[in-house]
Amino acid sequence: SQELEQSPQSLIVQEGKNLTINCTSSKTLYGLYWYKQKYGEGLIFLMMLQKGGEEKSHEKITAKLDEKKQQSSLHITASQPSHAGIYLCGADAGSGNTGKLIFGQGTTLQVKP
Amino acid sequence: ETGVTQSPTHLIKTRGQQVTLRCSSQSGHNTVSWYQQALGQGPQFIFQYYREEENGRGNFPPRFSGLQFPNYSSELNVNALELDDSALYLCASRIWNSYEQYFGPGTRLTVT
Repeated sequence: SQELEQSPQSLIVQEGKNLTINCTSSKTLYGLYWYKQKYGEGLIFLMMLQKGGEEKSHEKITAKLDEKKQQSSLHITASQPSHAGIYLCGADAGSGNTGKLIFGQGTTLQVKP
Repeated sequence: ETGVTQSPTHLIKTRGQQVTLRCSSQSGHNTVSWYQQALGQGPQFIFQYYREEENGRGNFPPRFSGLQFPNYSSELNVNALELDDSALYLCASRIWNSYEQYFGPGTRLTVT
């Protein structure tokens, strides 16, 4: 079965610094999702990537899906305390759009003012 | 536009009891999925409902069951609760065949 591994597991950065979170899949990705979660709360949809080489940005967050579609990175530029939370990558467990998502274990981000 | 809502927010049950969690889909969304998230882990897919029928199930025993109603709202039922069922239960909705799933705030279930 497909597995997603995120690195690092946790991250502490100074406000204003850039950071990158990686998500590696054991199989080809047919769609890669990035969500943000505040502790104990629901997931907030950030963006979804489908095509190899695709890159999307939202405010100061940029996500890329590599050409081979087995790895994605999430980059935050000039981090702010509001970026703190748990970042989760997710992928469809099937080979298309089954709606059954599997997730990585999450990366906990702390931003120090 | 109303987002995904879940009730209750928190729940404490005793081992062996039964529990029902509720979810209202985002407006216009006809597909609902349920996920279990243990502390420190990513969410795990329980099952998905479309047209009031189960459409895909994860690795969860039959004591986890669900319903979807004509208005697309949904229930998750868990029988014979075990201590390991303690988790955050998340509901997500989408339009069938669309890629984006939107999650509710979750129900925190504690089994003692």
